[in-house]
Amino acid sequence: EIVMTQSPGTLSVSPGERATLSCRASQALSSKLAWYQQKPGQAPRLLIYGASTRATGIPDRFSGSGSGTDFTLTISTLQSEDFAVYYCQQYNNWPLTFGGGTKVEIK
Amino acid sequence: QVQLQESGPGLVKPSETLSLTCTVAGASLTNSYWSWIRQSPGKALQWIGYIHKSGSSDHNPSLKGRVVMSVDSSRNQFSLKLDSVTAADTAVYYCARFLEAGYRYFDYWGQGILVTVS
Repeated sequence: EIVMTQSPGTLSVSPGERATLSCRASQALSSKLAWYQQKPGQAPRLLIYGASTRATGIPDRFSGSGSGTDFTLTISTLQSEDFAVYYCQQYNNWPLTFGGGTKVEIK
Repeated sequence: QVQLQESGPGLVKPSETLSLTCTVAGASLTNSYWSWIRQSPGKALQWIGYIHKSGSSDHNPSLKGRVVMSVDSSRNQFSLKLDSVTAADTAVYYCARFLEAGYRYFDYWGQGILVTVS
């Protein structure tokens, strides 16, 4: 099983600032990595797939990068609606696995 | 617009079988892969398994063969059965879709259903 490790666990950021979230895989994934946003009481929402392709309707302040084992999600200018938990997910191997999440909170 | 909706009992006794159904609107079950994912309180997401209308399926080995999934095309539904549940199976259960075998990320999710084992 591929283990996905996200860091930091919590990120405190002021509105308007940039947030950088990391995800590391225990094995190489090529670019088969997705990012999701989850708000309290809601299902996760797909943000990024293929490590860097934004899903339909996702604002361009969200960007993904990386390949192999190290990936990054960047939110360029945090809006109030962006404070949430973010998860990465690998889909290179079975079983599909998720990271433990990074909570982005208001500083 | 694709919509998924989970349904089933919110309370299951230990050692019994958890049974959930996902009803899909706005998409046919034929062309996609349908999954279950769960999230224990305050914890991360765990993929449970997937099924395709063709009959192909797989599930997370960590669930030790307790998983059975099925598709009912006439009702546009798919289902999950998880045997011999314990308190560790208490979670919000989501149904979700991935489009293609090589692109196993989830573009549509249900709202989730909390199942408590007690």
